[in-house]
Amino acid sequence: DSGVTQTPKHLITATGQRVTLRCSPRSGDLSVYWYQQSLDQGLQFLIQYYNGEERAKGNILERFSAQQFPDLHSELNLSSLELGDSALYFCASSVEAANYGYTFGSGTRLTVV
Amino acid sequence: KNQVEQSPQSLIILEGKNCTLQCNYTVSPFSNLRWYKQDTGRGPVSLTIMTFSENTKSNGRYTATLDADTKQSSLHITASQLSDSASYICVVGHAGNNRKLIWGLGTSLAVNP
Repeated sequence: DSGVTQTPKHLITATGQRVTLRCSPRSGDLSVYWYQQSLDQGLQFLIQYYNGEERAKGNILERFSAQQFPDLHSELNLSSLELGDSALYFCASSVEAANYGYTFGSGTRLTVV
Repeated sequence: KNQVEQSPQSLIILEGKNCTLQCNYTVSPFSNLRWYKQDTGRGPVSLTIMTFSENTKSNGRYTATLDADTKQSSLHITASQLSDSASYICVVGHAGNNRKLIWGLGTSLAVNP
């Protein structure tokens, strides 16, 4: 157990729907990062939050949004889902904002049908 | 363009044998280089992290080397075990704005009995 908790582990939904993925960082970690990994693709950085504020943005679609709450857990919202959004979504956390040596959760597998 | 390229794309070895995975990068300015192990369907787990001044770092049977002049790194696995079967990902940290991480696509290693 890495200490980073992601729920749900699996999610199956239809095109056009909206889903919310949840991440609880390791105790003491202030930064949360979201990544997308499509089949046979490398990890794509989506977005980073540090202590409740957006810190960095990567290749995140406008249909996707995220936030980090005062208790430091984070949610990634995916809307108007398309078949191509099917992927593993990973959350990682670190103590500082500079993303040095962070820890990944076990991921949420999203299948859009 | 900041890129990380790994070779080979996949590798099959027999249990007990050694192997070496390669990583070439063009990321500049360079901050750090990390190797991650990712089991199928799981989050990546950090193996080693090296900064500019470090040219080798070990973690058990895993030894990473870094040549910052030629912008090359290798990951050597000694006395492979079946549990080493995984994807090994090279990640280079950009020292610029937001300390962005550039992810390689990974080398898929299969260790057969």
